Amino acid sequence: SQELEQSPQSLIVQEGKNLTINCTSSKTLYGLYWYKQKYGEGLIFLMMLQKGGEEKSHEKITAKLDEKKQQSSLHITASQPSHAGIYLCGADNTGTASKLTFGTGTRLQVTL
Amino acid sequence: GAVVSQHPSRVICKSGTSVKIECRSLDFQATTMFWYRQFPKQSLMLMATSNEGSKATYEQGVEKDKFLINHASLTLSTLTVTSAHPEDSSFYICSARDQGSVGYTFGSGTRLTVV
Repeated sequence: SQELEQSPQSLIVQEGKNLTINCTSSKTLYGLYWYKQKYGEGLIFLMMLQKGGEEKSHEKITAKLDEKKQQSSLHITASQPSHAGIYLCGADNTGTASKLTFGTGTRLQVTL
Repeated sequence: GAVVSQHPSRVICKSGTSVKIECRSLDFQATTMFWYRQFPKQSLMLMATSNEGSKATYEQGVEKDKFLINHASLTLSTLTVTSAHPEDSSFYICSARDQGSVGYTFGSGTRLTVV
C-alpha cells in the first residue's frame, strides 16, 4: 500500500489564489522533502523539514510539518502560472537518509 | 550547488535490445545513488539503491536481471535495461545525495521508448 498519500491529486486554481497541498504518511517522517517537477523533467528541490512543528518559507511557498511528524502541508500564496507543475512530497522513513520514497503527487494548473 | 547529470535524455530502442542510462554526480562524490521510474501522470517509484563498490539494493517487485545497476565509481552509476520490451517504456530518473547539501539532487531524467 502507498505509504505517502498526497491530496488533492490535481488542482486547478485561478492566478492570484492561494492553495494548499497535503502529504500524509503512515509512518514517522524523519525527513520530509518537497519537490516540484515539470512534466518529463527532473525534480527541483523546494524545502526539507525535519522537526515536528517546523515551518519554512521561500518566496510565496510555505511548508509545514505537524508536531506528530506524520503530515506536511505546502501552501502557495497568490499563485502564478510559474507555479504550475507536479508537486511531490518525499519521505525519509528510515531516519538514516538512506532512501527517499515519494507520495502520489499533485498536479497543479494555474489559469489566467 | 550539487549537480547530477543524466544521459541520454531521450532514447528509442527496438524490442529485445539493451539500453544503458548514465547518472553522474558532477561536483561531489556519491556513495549512494537512487534510480526511479515514473509512469505518465504518476509519481516516482523507487526501483533500486545503487551502492558504490557493492551490489545494488532492489525494491520489492523490481527485476534485478532486467534492470542491471552498476556503481563502479563514486561519481557514476549506470542503469541498463536488458532485453527491453514496450512495457519498459517509461521515464527513468536518478538522484544522489551530497552530504554537504540539503535534499537529494535529481538528474533531468531519461525518456525511454521501446518500439
